[in-house]
Amino acid sequence: DTAVSQTPKYLVTQMGNDKSIKCEQNLGHDTMYWYKQDSKKFLKIMFSYNNKELIINETVPNRFSPKSPDKAHLNLHINSLELGDSAVYFCASSQLRQAGELFFGEGSRLTVL
Amino acid sequence: AQSVTQLDSQVPVFEEAPVELRCNYSSSVSVYLFWYVQYPNQGLQLLLKYLSGSTLVESINGFEAEFNKSQTSFHLRKPSVHISDTAEYFCAVSPYSSASKIIFGSGTRLSIRP
Repeated sequence: DTAVSQTPKYLVTQMGNDKSIKCEQNLGHDTMYWYKQDSKKFLKIMFSYNNKELIINETVPNRFSPKSPDKAHLNLHINSLELGDSAVYFCASSQLRQAGELFFGEGSRLTVL
Repeated sequence: AQSVTQLDSQVPVFEEAPVELRCNYSSSVSVYLFWYVQYPNQGLQLLLKYLSGSTLVESINGFEAEFNKSQTSFHLRKPSVHISDTAEYFCAVSPYSSASKIIFGSGTRLSIRP
């Protein structure tokens, strides 16, 4: 059983399209995250939800909209995709009181043509 | 605000040689410190962490890191590396007050030569 699973693993799409990435965790954690990893491997936090409530919302274009239907799921919807959105998007989860111990999914590689 | 600097983007070493991956951080508040490892085409995994107490922390696969408050460093070391240690290593910090906000360094690629 995969602890943090993301779908799809690969996404290739045209500029201007809208796409979604889904994430599910079966660890019973209360906090979930989206991170973006660029081509230079730099990892930047985008959003974090704790018990379905948004707690971290970094400087991210509002074309990116996270949604957490329950504490085991965190989805990421991206509107009007741009070339610069090409990256690997990682979902992660943690138990808020267990500082810093993130469990990552395997990533979703988004390529915008 | 916090920031993390990993001074080496790549570190090539021979198998069975010792290695040190450097990490310095900047923060006006107390922080927790972490090292994560990313194997090719995988997500990151926690390697070790410093929360409090002994400044020397160890992982199960032979890595260790030492928290040095005066130098604001948290360097990662291993006395003898193996081919399987080839990966990207990320240093990270989070402030005590907002432990969910984990900031990562830019990563160091460790490549092991036979």
